[in-house]
Amino acid sequence: EDQVTQSPEALRLQEGESSSLNCSYTVSGLRGLFWYRQDPGKGPEFLFTLYSAGEEKEKERLKATLTKKESFLHITAPKPEDSATYLCAAATAGGTSYGKLTFGQGTILTVHP
Amino acid sequence: EAGVTQSPTHLIKTRGQQATLRCSPISGHTSVYWYQQALGLGLQFLLWYDEGEERNRGNFPPRFSGRQFPNYSSELNVNALELEDSALYLCASSYGLAGDTDTQYFGPGTRLTVL
Repeated sequence: EDQVTQSPEALRLQEGESSSLNCSYTVSGLRGLFWYRQDPGKGPEFLFTLYSAGEEKEKERLKATLTKKESFLHITAPKPEDSATYLCAAATAGGTSYGKLTFGQGTILTVHP
Repeated sequence: EAGVTQSPTHLIKTRGQQATLRCSPISGHTSVYWYQQALGLGLQFLLWYDEGEERNRGNFPPRFSGRQFPNYSSELNVNALELEDSALYLCASSYGLAGDTDTQYFGPGTRLTVL
């Protein structure tokens, strides 16, 4: 069974204190790894898609990387407005997995001013 | 460009009733996905529709069903509501069967409360 695990469950940072969130996956044939940001009571907001090991993508203070077993979301000099739950999800090979995303439980990030 | 829209925002039902949730995809998207986000359980895949056909469904009972209309909007129906159906129901859309790794863009969700 496909599994996506995120760590830590919660992370508290001071403004400007850089850190990384981890997403490890055990899936049969990764076709894409997605990162989303979710604010309380709202739908997930798309951040990045990564397709192959070694790939990196950046957006403002966020940088996502992918290896054969895990993905990292690096946050550089975070601001309080970066506080949210960060979700990663895997799209895997066909069959019963076709079309669906398998999500991790998320990392709740809190950035204090 | 308008994003994925969902209605209603909130829905309160009693046990045993039926609930209908609606979703309009981003213009140009043909695939619609439904997910359930219950407290403490994360996002769980429910259903995927493309070009009016059900393409895949998750491990949910048959009382969870839906359909996709010719304009690609979609409806999720939940029959015989149970207390544990209380959750945020999220709809997502993508460009469809051309690439099943296409990014799924999510709507704001419908909060269903079953009393």
